[in-house]
Amino acid sequence: SQQGEEDPQALSIQEGENATMNCSYKTSINNLQWYRQNSGRGLVHLILIRSNEREKHSGRLRVTLDTSKKSSSLLITASRAADTASYFCATDARGKLVFGAGTILRVKS
Amino acid sequence: KAGVTQTPRYLIKTRGQQVTLSCSPISGHRSVSWYQQTPGQGLQFLFEYFSETQRNKGNFPGRFSGRQFSNSRSEMNVSTLELGDSALYLCASSSLGLLEETQYFGPGTRLLVL
Repeated sequence: SQQGEEDPQALSIQEGENATMNCSYKTSINNLQWYRQNSGRGLVHLILIRSNEREKHSGRLRVTLDTSKKSSSLLITASRAADTASYFCATDARGKLVFGAGTILRVKS
Repeated sequence: KAGVTQTPRYLIKTRGQQVTLSCSPISGHRSVSWYQQTPGQGLQFLFEYFSETQRNKGNFPGRFSGRQFSNSRSEMNVSTLELGDSALYLCASSSLGLLEETQYFGPGTRLLVL
């Protein structure tokens, strides 16, 4: 089974709204990463948060990490049509990088 | 710097054949990892190579193998192809390894097995 599980599976919002995606994982981690994928292409790294960090920002992105609950959230503020993509969290587990099933985000203009 | 490149981008094979995919990492990166992405199983880790040594391996059968050359370029081979091997194969590179830092992904090779 996958280490990370994203929630929701799909999300549809209007341009300008905020989008929040959640990721839960099972074992202890050193870091957690978020990636974006457009239409079955390669993944683009968004942000890496280490286990001793609680929150990290990058432009319109805000990531939080709660190691006690084994969960992370990705917030995209003021969404744009170009943010339409699949978003994945990835965690290190026993020497491997394990991805969740992803959240499909659709931003309507 | 040039990004991660993968060749070929698209490939059609028939069952029983074998295939070799290539990945050229970002210059200076010593770690290359491979992933298989399918609609049913999602993104699954295949293996990681670091300085020509396989450092980690996912839960895939022995038909899936790889290697890394001294210039850090990596190849992945799948023998005796099965229909279920149809997937997008992604490689990623980094300086220190997949557990240490950001992974830079290539555009992928889309393999269709008929």
